[in-house]
Amino acid sequence: GDSVTQMEGPVTLSEEAFLTINCTYTATGYPSLFWYVQYPGEGLQLLLKATKADDKGSNKGFEATYRKETTSFHLEKGSVQVSDSAVYFCALINQAGTALIFGKGTTLSVSS
Amino acid sequence: EPEVTQTPSHQVTQMGQEVILRCVPISNHLYFYWYRQILGQKVEFLVSFYNNEISEKSEIFDDQFSVERPDGSNFTLKIRSTKLEDSAMYFCASSESGTRPPLHFGNGTRLTVT
Repeated sequence: GDSVTQMEGPVTLSEEAFLTINCTYTATGYPSLFWYVQYPGEGLQLLLKATKADDKGSNKGFEATYRKETTSFHLEKGSVQVSDSAVYFCALINQAGTALIFGKGTTLSVSS
Repeated sequence: EPEVTQTPSHQVTQMGQEVILRCVPISNHLYFYWYRQILGQKVEFLVSFYNNEISEKSEIFDDQFSVERPDGSNFTLKIRSTKLEDSAMYFCASSESGTRPPLHFGNGTRLTVT
């Protein structure tokens, strides 16, 4: 079945460091891909998305490119801030289009 | 911006007891969902609900679970006889446009079964 695999956390960085959180997926066809973020004490929020191969989703300085050759959707940011500390979830929409399938989440901790 | 609200934020219950988790979806949304996350595990889909009936459910959503929209604003998840392994964070979500994300998620209810 469809699945999403994320790199294990936690990821600990200093402010202004470069961030990469790896995400790979297994799915039938070419599902839409998403990154969600959960800030402390809050719900899941959509960060960015890509709906087809080679699409690049971007928001708040974060980017991710849909790579069908490597079935990947890695999240990147050139310069992280303390306020980026959160849990990041990679997800895809299932083939039926009825449910999101999430990875386990990666905790990012940024210190000043 | 409209929000999905969930209550309570934390629920502690004894094994075998019934619990009801409550959600108020965004008012003009028509599709409602429950997801859960066991500590350290993936966020898992439980059930989707549209037009007053379940549209899809996962293997996790067995006979112990039920959902209801008792009035025009609330959407509830009931667990009839809780087990220790039901301890998790439960997220409610709603969507305006049916099966297409983005879904709007609530802050979650942490359920602890002792």
